[in-house]
Order: sequence, then structure tokens, then C-alpha cells
Amino acid sequence: NAGVMQNPRHLVRRRGQEARLRCSPMKGHSHVYWYRQLPEEGLKFMVYLQKENIIDESGMPKERFSAEFPKEGPSILRIQQVVRGDSAAYFCASSPRLAGAFNEQFFGPGTRLTVL
Amino acid sequence: KQEVTQIPAALSVPEGENLVLNCSFTDSAIYNLQWFRQDPGKGLTSLLLIQSSQREQTSGRLNASLDKSSGRSTLYIAASQPGDSATYLCAVDFGNEKLTFGTGTRLTIIP
Repeated sequence: NAGVMQNPRHLVRRRGQEARLRCSPMKGHSHVYWYRQLPEEGLKFMVYLQKENIIDESGMPKERFSAEFPKEGPSILRIQQVVRGDSAAYFCASSPRLAGAFNEQFFGPGTRLTVL
Repeated sequence: KQEVTQIPAALSVPEGENLVLNCSFTDSAIYNLQWFRQDPGKGLTSLLLIQSSQREQTSGRLNASLDKSSGRSTLYIAASQPGDSATYLCAVDFGNEKLTFGTGTRLTIIP
């Protein structure tokens, strides 16, 4: 059973370009979470999605950031018109989120975004 | 406000010693608590998960305890090895279906 997959692992963009980060959850997991780790800071929650639904986006910046988890395919975190402050490691986690289960979150290797 | 704190930020101990990492949280109404390990430039590896109804969990040389009433968790590492050097993160699910992370303790085991 493959773990959480993220790609690309490293992404370099110039200011003003778009960044697309992909996350494939573990097999059987229907819940996906995105977290951001800024340099020298802790991980911060961004958004929680189920298939075709955004459950909680309270940690997402109001502008330029969006996320989706379509019925088919990976979850996508999209950052439009990137700025240098978006440079960070972006981690995806998945969970089965079953009633009565431990609901442990399993993390992917992250995508390291560098904005020039 | 729901917050997670880890002190100290960094810790160095000689190889072979037992050690304890600390985590405190502001709200005792937690769903679960996870301890993770992060190596430089890498992702997170889940070490232990403790449900709110549990007092401790063990895996190999690791033992995590949970005291909700005092808002504290500890991660005990026995017989430390150089390979244990990493940043250890504590994360709490306060029941709102997302993890709130501490800033971590950077552990260095001195050979």
C-alpha cells in the first residue's frame, strides 16, 4: 500500500506565475488535508477536503489560493500569482476518517516551493 | 485559542541516555494527539498516536503519555541512538478535524 504521494517534490516559480501542487492520498483514504511550513516556523493547517467537497478552509489565505479534490484524480493546491512569501514546504496528509477509528493522519513527503 | 507548545526548542544528549520531550496544549477537550519525527528537508513520519481516552502508547523504544487534565504529553525515548537525531513534532486534534502543531524540539544525539 503506497503512502501519500506528492508531486512535484521541488517546484521553482517566478513571481506572478502559478503553482500547482498535487497530492494522491493513501488507498482507501477519502479525506485530505493541506499544511504549510514556512521557513523556521511550524506547520500550519490550510484546508481539509473530502471528495468533491471543501470541509474547512479556515487556514487558507483569502486570495490567490484554492484547493480541490475531484471525484477522480489527485487533490490540487493551486497558488496564483505567486509571491516570495509563498516560498515554503507544502505537506499533504490523508486519513480514512472512519467513525470510531483512530483517524491518524499520514503525511506525504511535501512539495518545496521556491519563488524567485 | 487552541495552541500547542513544545519546550525546549533544542536538546542535545549523549548517546545511550534516556530522554523526555515535552508537549503542552491549551484545551483539554482533545480528540487525539500525534507525535511525529521530521528529518531535515524531509516529510513527517508518524511515531505514535494517543486517543483522548488513552493514557499512553508504546512502540519499541518510544513511549508517549497523555495527561488531559494538565494539558500535557511526553515522548520518552529509551537508550538514545545517533539515528534518533531529528525534529520531533507534537500535534493535537482538538476535535475540529485538523492538526494543530507545536514548533518542535530539535534533538541531537551526541555519539
